Amino acid sequence: QSALTQPRSVSGSPGQSVAISCTGTSSDVGGYNYVSWYQQHPGKVPKLIIYDVNKRPSGVPDRFSGSKSGNTASLTISGLQAEDEADYYCCSYAGSYTLVFGGGTKVTVL
Amino acid sequence: QVQLQESGPGLVKPSQTLSLTCTVSGGSIIIGGYYWSWIRQRPGKGLEWIGYIYHTGSTYYNPSLKSRLIISVDTSKNQFSLRLTSVTAADTAVYYCARDLGIAAPGEIWGQGTMVTVST
Repeated sequence: QSALTQPRSVSGSPGQSVAISCTGTSSDVGGYNYVSWYQQHPGKVPKLIIYDVNKRPSGVPDRFSGSKSGNTASLTISGLQAEDEADYYCCSYAGSYTLVFGGGTKVTVL
Repeated sequence: QVQLQESGPGLVKPSQTLSLTCTVSGGSIIIGGYYWSWIRQRPGKGLEWIGYIYHTGSTYYNPSLKSRLIISVDTSKNQFSLRLTSVTAADTAVYYCARDLGIAAPGEIWGQGTMVTVST
C-alpha cells in the first residue's frame, strides 16, 4: 500500500482556478469512487472538504470541486482566495477496509 | 455538537507502548453507524491513516502498522483507544482521532490532536 502521488506545490493568483492531482492505482483511486480531500492550514487540524470523489460536506464552499478519471483524482479550487492557501491531502479507499493518503500539496496564493 | 478529545502521554520511550484515548462528547459513539479513526502526522510530513473501529468492536488497520496496533472501544465511557507497541522515533507524530463519514471518508470531525514524542 503506497502513498498516493500529489504534486508538492501548486500556485495561482486570486480569482484563478487551480487543480491538484492525486494519482494512485487501480487498487485504490481507480478501483473505487471513494476519494476524499482535506484542507490543512499551518498548525491547524485538517478539514474534510470533498468525499466520495465529488461530494461536499455541509458548509464547504462550492468553489471546491472534485473529479476522477481512471487512476487520478483531482481537486479544483475555483476563484482562488487568500484563505485557500494551505496544504491539501487526498485519501482513497484501497479495499479490504483500508485507506491511503497522498503526500500533500501546498497551495500558494500569489 | 459532537466533539473529540485525545488524551495520553506526550512522551514514550523507545520499545515501549504508546497508548491514547479519544473521548467523544455531544453524541453517542454507538449511534449513527459511524466509523472512528486514528490518523497521525509526523512532524513536517503528511497524514497517515492508522486504522478505524466500529462501535461493535470491528477493527481495520493500516497493513504497515497492523502487527503493532490495537484499536479498541469502550462504549460505556464513549471512548475509543489506540495502543501501538514497540515504538521507535518514527512513531513520533501528532495523533488525531476522528469520526468518519463512512468507511471511505475519514475525518468528518477531528479531535485537536496530541503530540507524542518517542525518545529516551
